[in-house]
Amino acid sequence: SQQGEEDPQALSIQEGENATMNCSYKTSINNLQWYRQNSGRGLVHLILIRSNEREKHSGRLRVTLDTSKKSSSLLITASRAADTASYFCATDSFSLNTGFQKLVFGTGTRLLVSP
Amino acid sequence: DAGITQSPRHKVTETGTPVTLRCHQTENHRYMYWYRQDPGHGLRLIHYSYGVKDTDKGEVSDGYSVSRSKTEDFLLTLESATSSQTSVYFCATGRGGETQYFGPGTRLLVL
Repeated sequence: SQQGEEDPQALSIQEGENATMNCSYKTSINNLQWYRQNSGRGLVHLILIRSNEREKHSGRLRVTLDTSKKSSSLLITASRAADTASYFCATDSFSLNTGFQKLVFGTGTRLLVSP
Repeated sequence: DAGITQSPRHKVTETGTPVTLRCHQTENHRYMYWYRQDPGHGLRLIHYSYGVKDTDKGEVSDGYSVSRSKTEDFLLTLESATSSQTSVYFCATGRGGETQYFGPGTRLLVL
């Protein structure tokens, strides 16, 4: 079952422009993460924001979290061609049966940044 | 990649044959995971391990088994591969619900 859903599914912009991706989720969370995946590679962790945080920055990345709307956004400022990748949000999901906390990933946003 | 390697990186096999994928980590992480990635589905958890010989099922575990005899190795076995198991398989480490570190992936094609 998918917890996070990214929007848009695909985004095409020019270098220098900002890129905004959104993630919506269904149940309460402790944290939300964003990952990047370059074509043919594994996922790379970008940033983690906890449920008691509203905004977090890392370099050109800015993540916001609105727990009342169960949504998050990832903003990449001054995009570069090297930012071309798929971006996934992931939320933690706790199982009462097993006591195990896992990550549940969305289906991703494909970002294309053209020179 | 946080010291995670996967082997093989690519494999083509026939329906009904057994397949074993290997994940090796050098960071002494307690938790290890196997995911599959398919278009339109994102990443889905197959199995995970919370210690040597301690494993449990994820959301898409049917047709898969795992073993972990050493901290550094986590094996995923398809006992009898089917075409629906054609996918890209990723191994990951990291504490459940927190940051995870992914291997480079294995592309499996079942004919």
